[in-house]
Amino acid sequence: RKEVEQDPGPFNVPEGATVAFNCTYSNSASQSFFWYRQDCRKEPKLLMSVYSSGNEDGRFTAQLNRASQYISLLIRDSKLSDSATYLCVVSHYTGGFKTIFGAGTRLFVKA
Amino acid sequence: DGGITQSPKYLFRKEGQNVTLSCEQNLNHDAMYWYRQDPGQGLRLIYYSQIVNDFQKGDIAEGYSVSREKKESFPLTVTSAQKNPTAFYLCASSIGQAYSNTDAFFGHGTRLTVV
Repeated sequence: RKEVEQDPGPFNVPEGATVAFNCTYSNSASQSFFWYRQDCRKEPKLLMSVYSSGNEDGRFTAQLNRASQYISLLIRDSKLSDSATYLCVVSHYTGGFKTIFGAGTRLFVKA
Repeated sequence: DGGITQSPKYLFRKEGQNVTLSCEQNLNHDAMYWYRQDPGQGLRLIYYSQIVNDFQKGDIAEGYSVSREKKESFPLTVTSAQKNPTAFYLCASSIGQAYSNTDAFFGHGTRLTVV
């Protein structure tokens, strides 16, 4: 089983739609959680951290469920510019932090 | 400016050759990582290092080698044993200390093509 698993998609949605991505992780000792965004042929960049209490940044909401070991990302009112690959990232400490990236979920937002 | 630098941006390799991809960071990060990405695919971990002079294999280490002689540098060698090396290679670093913000920073990547 992969340490971090995501639905690869692609998700094809119209502008204005709400879309949700889920990600599961296998290591219950994981301590830090993030969502990254990767545009085509570019490096991934941090979108937002994910906290136990959940957090929101504009149209983006991230949630963490430690009991079920999954994190989610909700995008409201999708824009064309949201089209990208969204990577779920989990870190745990093993004498130093190890960061594991999910394979990513591709999102296409269409006019 | 602080950051992580990969070079070269594009690299062409003949079959049977070893090539080394450079990754340097001046962020004072302990942890560094190498990922491979194939077209339309996600990131796959090749090697990672949590501290100088130590590194561990990731999910697809066969055909690759690394060294971590300095905190700032984590070069990746793609050996002739790697049968399908054409891919986008990404280097990343993170602070690596317990209870710190551990989000990772990426270089711009190296596109390796076998010719």
